Amino acid sequence: AQTVTQSQPEMSVQEAETVTLSCTYDTSESDYYLFWYKQPPSRQMILVIRQEAYKQQNATENRFSVNFQKAAKSFSLKISDSQLGDAAMYFCAYDSGTYKYIFGTGTRLKVLA
Amino acid sequence: SQTIHQWPATLVQPVGSPLSLECTVEGTSNPNLYWYRQAAGRGLQLLFYSVGIGQISSEVPQNLSASRPQDRQFILSSKKLLLSDSGFYLCAWSVTTWSWPQHFGDGTRLSIL
Repeated sequence: AQTVTQSQPEMSVQEAETVTLSCTYDTSESDYYLFWYKQPPSRQMILVIRQEAYKQQNATENRFSVNFQKAAKSFSLKISDSQLGDAAMYFCAYDSGTYKYIFGTGTRLKVLA
Repeated sequence: SQTIHQWPATLVQPVGSPLSLECTVEGTSNPNLYWYRQAAGRGLQLLFYSVGIGQISSEVPQNLSASRPQDRQFILSSKKLLLSDSGFYLCAWSVTTWSWPQHFGDGTRLSIL
């Protein structure tokens, strides 16, 4: 069965600095999709970035980028130039295209002014 | 543009009472629809998904049921709530041919007394 592991329950970063959130997953599939979602205190789930497993190039969205290591089954999120508004829970999610997202347990990111 | 509405935002119910949470999507046809539950400090767990009217797939055995009476309407129900049903419930949708990315509603916080 597929699993998603986020080993960092909480992380802190100084404003304007860079932080990396870790995510590992386990699957026997060769084609799948990975996502990072942000959940601010409002509890809304916001898609931050996505990566297709067949793409070798790491996805980038403005200040957010991923380091996708398919062989190592690792999918980390890097946030550059951290802002106060980045403070939230971040969830890593996996989808093999079978309508079943599998979420990690989340990492709470604190941004220090 | 597509929007997803979920209500109520907050609900307090006594043990043994019935439940009905509603989710509607606008701006798209024949979406895939999903119900998730998020327990305190945990990731999201997929409860139900639907790829069409009247088509419901259940992911975990539980005290809840789901129905899709109309194309863009998804309802989560229970005949008798248990204390363990407390949590944060999120509805999501994705386009017909793909299960990703999923777009989430604002959620319902359900407290059982």
